[in-house]
Amino acid sequence: GAGVSQSPSNKVTEKGKDVELRCDPISGHTALYWYRQRLGQGLEFLIYFQGNSAPDKSGLPSDRFSAERTGESVSTLTIQRTQQEDSAVYLCASSAVRLAVYNEQFFGPGTRLTVL
Amino acid sequence: GENVEQHPSTLSVQEGDSAVIKCTYSDSASNYFPWYKQELGKGPQLIIDIRSNVGEKKDQRIAVTLNKTAKHFSLHITETQPEDSAVYFCAASGVTGRRALTFGSGTRLQVQP
Repeated sequence: GAGVSQSPSNKVTEKGKDVELRCDPISGHTALYWYRQRLGQGLEFLIYFQGNSAPDKSGLPSDRFSAERTGESVSTLTIQRTQQEDSAVYLCASSAVRLAVYNEQFFGPGTRLTVL
Repeated sequence: GENVEQHPSTLSVQEGDSAVIKCTYSDSASNYFPWYKQELGKGPQLIIDIRSNVGEKKDQRIAVTLNKTAKHFSLHITETQPEDSAVYFCAASGVTGRRALTFGSGTRLQVQP
């Protein structure tokens, strides 16, 4: 079956512009995560959606970052007024969450964002 | 919050040798510890995971050990092959509350043919 897909694969933008990144999770996965990976570093948690619950936004680095998810489908991560330090690979993952059981997170290929 | 440290940052081995990567974590409530392999230009892919109710898990050439008392876990790859060359990440999480993973900083493994 189809895995997690992300678009665009690459995005080059100018400082100060807004960007929107898209994630299509695996069908039926109720949990969706966004992570940021700076060059040569590990993944940093940004935001977590689980069903209709309020999202966990505790990882968002500033109010320039926001994300939305429609039901249990597509999610968009928006970065407003981009800065050079926003340059990174943005990874999306989804998981089929069951009560009291931790389920594997499946990652998409990421969107490489470059802010000039 | 959880903090995961990973060592070494780079590891070079000869084909056929074993490779060991170690991680420590800070939150005693963490009970899920996956390992991901990331190849260039791709997203991380789960290769093995362990939950806190077991001390060791093995899958062919890959094994993971967990010491909950010491709060550390390790990845062991035996009979390494050139295709094992990649960046490996450890991670930790709990079942309750936020289920996001806290990742280590990664280990770049190079298997020399």
